[in-house]
Amino acid sequence: EDKVVQSPLSLVVHEGDTVTLNCSYEVTNFRSLLWYKQEKKAPTFLFMLTSSGIEKKSGRLSSILDKKELFSILNITATQTGDSAIYLCAVSNFGNEKLTFGTGTRLTIIP
Amino acid sequence: GAVVSQHPSRVICKSGTSVKIECRSLDFQATTMFWYRQFPKQSLMLMATSNEGSKATYEQGVEKDKFLINHASLTLSTLTVTSAHPEDSSFYICSARGRGGWVEKLFFGSGTQLSVL
Repeated sequence: EDKVVQSPLSLVVHEGDTVTLNCSYEVTNFRSLLWYKQEKKAPTFLFMLTSSGIEKKSGRLSSILDKKELFSILNITATQTGDSAIYLCAVSNFGNEKLTFGTGTRLTIIP
Repeated sequence: GAVVSQHPSRVICKSGTSVKIECRSLDFQATTMFWYRQFPKQSLMLMATSNEGSKATYEQGVEKDKFLINHASLTLSTLTVTSAHPEDSSFYICSARGRGGWVEKLFFGSGTQLSVL
């Protein structure tokens, strides 16, 4: 059975801090790993990673995948209160038409 | 970008009643719809996958007679929670994939918060 585990489950930091969120996975026929941000409603897409070692970057957010060690990290620098959300990690595999989501990390930024 | 409209956004009902949730793709043909459930402080759990014109495929542990899914057209899928009970209270989200699209290219609805009294 495919499994995605995120850590920490929750994180509280002060505005301006840098955070690193972790996602490890066990899937057969891995295809991609995705990061989403969820603020009370539907998840919004952040990144899709398919290759090891290639950093994806969008503003203060960046992510990288390690397919050998089966994990990914999501970094957020100079955090702002608007970054407070649940961050979800999901994986897809070849031959299976669905995403498997992790438990999520609840990030809270204190002003 | 593609838009998926989900209604209602919130519903409160009495135990024993049935609730229908609609998910519409507004500007593309959704050949596949995924229905997820999310309990407080937990992640999205896939309930079922439906392809237009076919019966839905349910995940293990999800009762197909309780959670009726209809995907009769390329723009509309519905989830009906039959004889709802308090333990069915949850956040339900649909997501849609267009023709030939990868599973990663999903468009999510805004979700429905169901509260069963």
